Amino acid sequence: DIQMTQSPSTLSASVGDRVTITCRASQSINSWLAWYQQKPGKAPKLLIYEASSLETEVPSRFSGSGSGTEFTLTISSLQPDDFATYYCQQYNTYLYTFGQGTKLEIK
Amino acid sequence: EVKLVESGGGLVQPGGSLRLSCAASGFSFSGYEMNWFRQAPGQGLDWVAYISYGSTNIYYADSVKGRFTISRDNAKNSLYLQMNSLRAEDTAVYYCARKSGSRSFDYWGQGTLVTVSS
Repeated sequence: DIQMTQSPSTLSASVGDRVTITCRASQSINSWLAWYQQKPGKAPKLLIYEASSLETEVPSRFSGSGSGTEFTLTISSLQPDDFATYYCQQYNTYLYTFGQGTKLEIK
Repeated sequence: EVKLVESGGGLVQPGGSLRLSCAASGFSFSGYEMNWFRQAPGQGLDWVAYISYGSTNIYYADSVKGRFTISRDNAKNSLYLQMNSLRAEDTAVYYCARKSGSRSFDYWGQGTLVTVSS
């Protein structure tokens, strides 16, 4: 199975900050990586697919990069609505594994 | 508008069974691969099962293999998850999600809670 390691687990930041979340795969997944945002009691929301493609209607302050085994999600200027938990997910193989999540908290 | 609506969750005793349903609307259901995911209380997301367009290919997570069965009825625009021999560790919110090829999982249902407890 492909293991996904996400860091940090928790991130404290302020509105307007630039933040980066990292995701590492245990083996190459090419660019088959997605990023999701999840708020309490809600389903995950797709933000980024194919490592760097922005999903429709997702604000441009979200961006993704990387390929192979190293990936990042960057939020260029945090907005109040962005405080949530973020997950990376590989979809290179049918065991669609997720990172353990990064909880983005207000500082 | 694309919609996925899960139903069928509830409280069940260990060893019991439950059948989840996911009603799809707003898109051509037969043209998409479908999946079930779950999230235990306070935990992260886990993939549970996959089914291809015409049910030809089916895959399961090791944790549910032999106990859960995924199926679909394209005529009814519906996805199902038959869960047998339920265990306490199966307690979770279960989500159905559409896989859009290279765009990963672009639409998710709101989830249905399954609680396995005596």
